[in-house]
Amino acid sequence: AQKVTQAQTEISVVEKEDVTLDCVYETRDTTYYLFWYKQPPSGELVFLIRRNSFDEQNEISGRYSWNFQKSTSSFNFTITASQVVDSAVYFCALGRRPNTGNQFYFGTGTSLTVIP
Amino acid sequence: DAGVIQSPRHEVTEMGQEVTLRCKPISGHNSLFWYRQTMMRGLELLIYFNNNVPIDDSGMPEDRFSAKMPNASFSTLKIQPSEPRDSAVYFCASSLARGQGNTGELFFGEGSRLTVL
Repeated sequence: AQKVTQAQTEISVVEKEDVTLDCVYETRDTTYYLFWYKQPPSGELVFLIRRNSFDEQNEISGRYSWNFQKSTSSFNFTITASQVVDSAVYFCALGRRPNTGNQFYFGTGTSLTVIP
Repeated sequence: DAGVIQSPRHEVTEMGQEVTLRCKPISGHNSLFWYRQTMMRGLELLIYFNNNVPIDDSGMPEDRFSAKMPNASFSTLKIQPSEPRDSAVYFCASSLARGQGNTGELFFGEGSRLTVL
């Protein structure tokens, strides 16, 4: 069975602090995909990043970085020098692609509040 | 490029009325998903289609809910009769399925906020 766990329900940080959002996944598939989505207060769900299970390279995009570790089944997301605009709910998701089409499993989300 | 388009953005209706939510996926995408988001339950998958065929509707709450995808560019989610507990934000999302040289991520519409009084 597939499962994504985001143990942190809510996090508050002061602006300019670094913050890491944890994501742990479970799957028996050898090929899978991991995603992060951002849901700002306006409500839309915005795609941030996708990683393939065979690519454990970490990725950095501006103030955002992602640490993928298969050994611990984790795909953590770090925001460096947080800003108020980073306040949002962040969802981690696991994807698989059987012949019947893409399937996605979302975590329950982490609500991040950045205090000015 | 146009993203996933949902309508209406907001709907307020009375209990017992029929509600129809509409979705136009991204052109070329062949997987379509309907999600419901509430504070209590978070993001729930209701149903997904692949090549216009419903693949998994196990998340559809009950017979009052139905979804159709008559063609590759249009889907509806219908609730009849609606109840106050159906109040939620309903998201439609689309992606490219396997084997088409794609990255596979889901692209979401802006959601339809439904309030049933």
